[in-house]
Amino acid sequence: GEDVEQSLFLSVREGDSSVINCTYTDSSSTYLYWYKQEPGAGLQLLTYIFSNMDMKQDQRLTVLLNKKDKHLSLRIADTQTGDSAIYFCAERGATNKLIFGTGTLLAVQP
Amino acid sequence: DSGVTQTPKHLITATGQRVTLRCSPRSGDLSVYWYQQSLDQGLQFLIQYYNGEERAKGNILERFSAQQFPDLHSELNLSSLELGDSALYFCASSHRQDVNEKLFFGSGTQLSVL
Repeated sequence: GEDVEQSLFLSVREGDSSVINCTYTDSSSTYLYWYKQEPGAGLQLLTYIFSNMDMKQDQRLTVLLNKKDKHLSLRIADTQTGDSAIYFCAERGATNKLIFGTGTLLAVQP
Repeated sequence: DSGVTQTPKHLITATGQRVTLRCSPRSGDLSVYWYQQSLDQGLQFLIQYYNGEERAKGNILERFSAQQFPDLHSELNLSSLELGDSALYFCASSHRQDVNEKLFFGSGTQLSVL
């Protein structure tokens, strides 16, 4: 079956790095995504990684994928208060459905 | 602004009632997805349409139905509403339905069933 899990909450200080983790079960996942949801808004795509990649870097964002362990992480460097939001990982497998995790609330303390 | 428009933004209704949520995808996008976000279930995929045809089905209840019209806008119909149907309903669109397609989300419709 398809299942995506994330920790519920992460608190960091401004300027520190944040690492949000995600595990998934579908071994046929082709693409994995990170979305950001700010209060009162829809989900916004942050970045994505193809399943044959180990790492992808995009400015302050670094995505690491361990396909063997089915583990995905998002690292945000120099975290700012504007990064406070809920972060969802999602995987798309052979069924073409985009399955989301439960979301991780990132709280950035000034 | 993602370019995906959902109406209404808020909807308050009573148990047993029926409501229709509307979604206009980004210009040129053929694929529309519906998601339900609730506190206890997280973000759940409901259903996907591509160019008017149903393409994938997720955890959508039989009391719920959807369709995509020739102009590509989509409607999600929720009937015999229950308290547990209270949630934020998101629509998303993408140009095609390939596995590498990025989804663009609307701001959601907040449904409260009293």
